[in-house]
Amino acid sequence: EPEVTQTPSHQVTQMGQEVILRCVPISNHLYFYWYRQILGQKVEFLVSFYNNEISEKSEIFDDQFSVERPDGSNFTLKIRSTKLEDSAMYFCVVWRFLADDTQYFGPGTRLTVL
Amino acid sequence: KQEVTQIPAALSVPEGENLVLNCSFTDSAIYNLQWFRQDPGKGLTSLLLIQSSQREQTSGRLNASLDKSSGRSTLYIAASQPGDSATYLCAVRSGGGADGLTFGKGTHLIIQP
Repeated sequence: EPEVTQTPSHQVTQMGQEVILRCVPISNHLYFYWYRQILGQKVEFLVSFYNNEISEKSEIFDDQFSVERPDGSNFTLKIRSTKLEDSAMYFCVVWRFLADDTQYFGPGTRLTVL
Repeated sequence: KQEVTQIPAALSVPEGENLVLNCSFTDSAIYNLQWFRQDPGKGLTSLLLIQSSQREQTSGRLNASLDKSSGRSTLYIAASQPGDSATYLCAVRSGGGADGLTFGKGTHLIIQP
């Protein structure tokens, strides 16, 4: 059974539109992360989230991005005004602190910006 | 800034061969190193995690080693099978907790039946 699921699996949007990507952890996790992978490129860290606030963020995670855990369960990534270069696979990742050190990747959301 | 490099970028071998995938990183002050498998268009599946204090980890036909001082890790796959065909990614974590993983570009592996 996967540690985390993501919705939608594929999102197509027009440039300038807002998108929200969702992540649902299966069991109790303390740390949440978002990564992205542009086609043919490396997987890149975006942001980590712990105790309902951002812990670390990369240079990629600018003011166009935001994360929240609105209902204590779902974990979301919002891109306010999408650009063509935001097209990528976005992975939600969870870590069960104190259980093991493995970071578990969700299946990903493929975002296509037209 | 941590940089991770994987060699070779691609590898094609006949079924049954043993093979080694290489990963190097520039900053030896790491927390742990993780090997992943990625199938086309899919997410990442964790294969092995090596803590900075460990030298190797084994799971089935897979063995990963870590030489932190030289900034190297290898993934050894024994008796390769066509089902092993995938991209193998190496990722290092520089600190605990909030720190994200730094990934290499991966080795695209094809096992010929």
